[in-house]
Amino acid sequence: EVLLVESGGGLVQPGRSLRLSCTGSGFTFGDNHMSWFRQAPGKGLEWIGFIKSKTYGETTEYAASIKGRFTITRDDSKNIAYLQMNSLKIEDTAVYYCTKLGGSYADYWGQGTLVTVSS
Amino acid sequence: QSVLTQPPSVSGAPGQRVTLSCTGSSSNIGAHYDVHWYQQLPGTAPKLLIYVNNNRPSGVPDRFSGSKSGTSASLAISGLQAEDEADYYCQSFDSSLGVVFGGGTKLTVL
Repeated sequence: EVLLVESGGGLVQPGRSLRLSCTGSGFTFGDNHMSWFRQAPGKGLEWIGFIKSKTYGETTEYAASIKGRFTITRDDSKNIAYLQMNSLKIEDTAVYYCTKLGGSYADYWGQGTLVTVSS
Repeated sequence: QSVLTQPPSVSGAPGQRVTLSCTGSSSNIGAHYDVHWYQQLPGTAPKLLIYVNNNRPSGVPDRFSGSKSGTSASLAISGLQAEDEADYYCQSFDSSLGVVFGGGTKLTVL
């Protein structure tokens, strides 16, 4: 069974940094592209970015709304994908989801982790 | 303002058939990028419902079907059941913006 578990969310002040982790199991983590999405309270889904597998050079792509502030990395030896978030803003408050990509779509989602940016 | 346009809400009675629309443009759906659909039950994470326009993942009932034409796509749900009450999101790719979503449609089963 494919499982994705996010961790690292919580309350953080504006301007500070936070790193989320996503631990995958039940599939060959290193062979798969991984992506992060978020959902602000009461709002729709928003793509943050993705990281391709090592075979594809661990290439990353990001949404314009967070480019330059957020970075996605991966550690295949630990089956973990990371989302480093810097210079956090109040509008970054959301539930953050880690997903496995099956192509151009997210075929498995984690349960999400809440990030609240507030002073 | 979402790149893909979905009606905010749709409703139907049990047993009925409903169709949810997703309208894009020439830089996304109209550029032959695939459309995918997700179902989000209240208080839960999204789940893949339809991928690559009209394919169902294992375990998704055949009551759910997808189609795509021109700059639009549709999700049809037949034999509506109470458990189908959820938010539904379409997703595609935009040549300028990357991965894009619709704003979501809230389906109410009357």
